[in-house]
Amino acid sequence: DAGVIQSPRHEVTEMGQEVTLRCKPISGHDYLFWYRQTMMRGLELLIYFNNNVPIDDSGMPEDRFSAKMPNASFSTLKIQPSEPRDSAVYFCASSLFREGTEAFFGQGTRLTVV
Amino acid sequence: GDSVTQMEGPVTLSEEAFLTINCTYTATGYPSLFWYVQYPGEGLQLLLKATKADDKGSNKGFEATYRKETTSFHLEKGSVQVSDSAVYFCALSDRGTYKYIFGTGTRLKVLA
Repeated sequence: DAGVIQSPRHEVTEMGQEVTLRCKPISGHDYLFWYRQTMMRGLELLIYFNNNVPIDDSGMPEDRFSAKMPNASFSTLKIQPSEPRDSAVYFCASSLFREGTEAFFGQGTRLTVV
Repeated sequence: GDSVTQMEGPVTLSEEAFLTINCTYTATGYPSLFWYVQYPGEGLQLLLKATKADDKGSNKGFEATYRKETTSFHLEKGSVQVSDSAVYFCALSDRGTYKYIFGTGTRLKVLA
């Protein structure tokens, strides 16, 4: 398996624009997680899905953020409108629904909002 | 809620020095515990894990033991190398929700 695939790797956008980050989880995994990494806050869990259903979105910072998982092989994280404070590295991870298994991370998307 | 606390960095060591990075957790029940490593510009990779009390996870010379009595999972390595320079994250997986909670990360720098 190619692992968790995220796109794009880098995104630079202007304040106010819509940004869409994409993730393809490992085939067969039941859980999908979106994390945000910043120097100030470290690694924050934004939202996670189980079998394509959002389970907990309490980490989503504002209504400007939304996430979808239309099928088992694809998820998006959208920011609309984007702001400079959204600049961070966004990671997608997936795992099996099995006790003790680890989460597998993608390479991340580095978002810069100017 | 569940949480993970790990020692502040950065940690700077000379090559072949002994490494300890402390990690303690708070959780209801008995979570699974993990150490991940992140190299510059990359995602997190699993380094080792332990799923029950007294289990020892090990990989690439790194070790950590699940201590239920002290709610700890300290990472150790007997002799670090320059190539071990990275950020290390301690994490837990809640048995009820299966979500992963991470510590803030500890940056390790090993000097030749």
